[in-house]
Amino acid sequence: DGGITQSPKYLFRKEGQNVTLSCEQNLNHDAMYWYRQDPGQGLRLIYYSQIVNDFQKGDIAEGYSVSREKKESFPLTVTSAQKNPTAFYLCASIGTAADEAFFGQGTRLTVV
Amino acid sequence: GEDVEQSLFLSVREGDSSVINCTYTDSSSTYLYWYKQEPGAGLQLLTYIFSNMDMKQDQRLTVLLNKKDKHLSLRIADTQTGDSAIYFCAESINQGGKLIFGQGTELSVKP
Repeated sequence: DGGITQSPKYLFRKEGQNVTLSCEQNLNHDAMYWYRQDPGQGLRLIYYSQIVNDFQKGDIAEGYSVSREKKESFPLTVTSAQKNPTAFYLCASIGTAADEAFFGQGTRLTVV
Repeated sequence: GEDVEQSLFLSVREGDSSVINCTYTDSSSTYLYWYKQEPGAGLQLLTYIFSNMDMKQDQRLTVLLNKKDKHLSLRIADTQTGDSAIYFCAESINQGGKLIFGQGTELSVKP
């Protein structure tokens, strides 16, 4: 089955730690995106990559980093510089057709 | 700039029609989407419309686009309790391009 997978589903981070969220797709899509979801604010774009080995900052990139070494994978690192990281993180993989936009099931990150 | 606005809440009775509204500011938006999010889950693409269309119907879903007013709506006929979710409107300038989302409308369906 083709799809997009995020892991883990739940993640807990201590103050000062970096954590990495995984996003993998086997849809052969070039474009992948990371969004952050907070209640009442919709989805805000963190980073995106439209081709391997290239990525761009979104609207709220500060405190986050990404890599795109493989087409299938677009991991997001939440660094200690992100002061308010508790949120629901969604990864998307988008193809060339208008209906080829798929989201993972999300990772809920909580700072403890 | 790019901005998408939605009202935050809508409550309807089972069997009624639901209409969720969305406005956007970017006149170069080419694709407009409706996504559904159930609690604790990712987003599921419901339907989309190209900017050169006025209407698109897909079973119980009808999308209306008023390009002049930059207004998009999603009508759900015969709303069921299983339709309770958050509905997001999104725009994109091109295929494969980044999606700009509204805040989401929480639809509550009462029996």
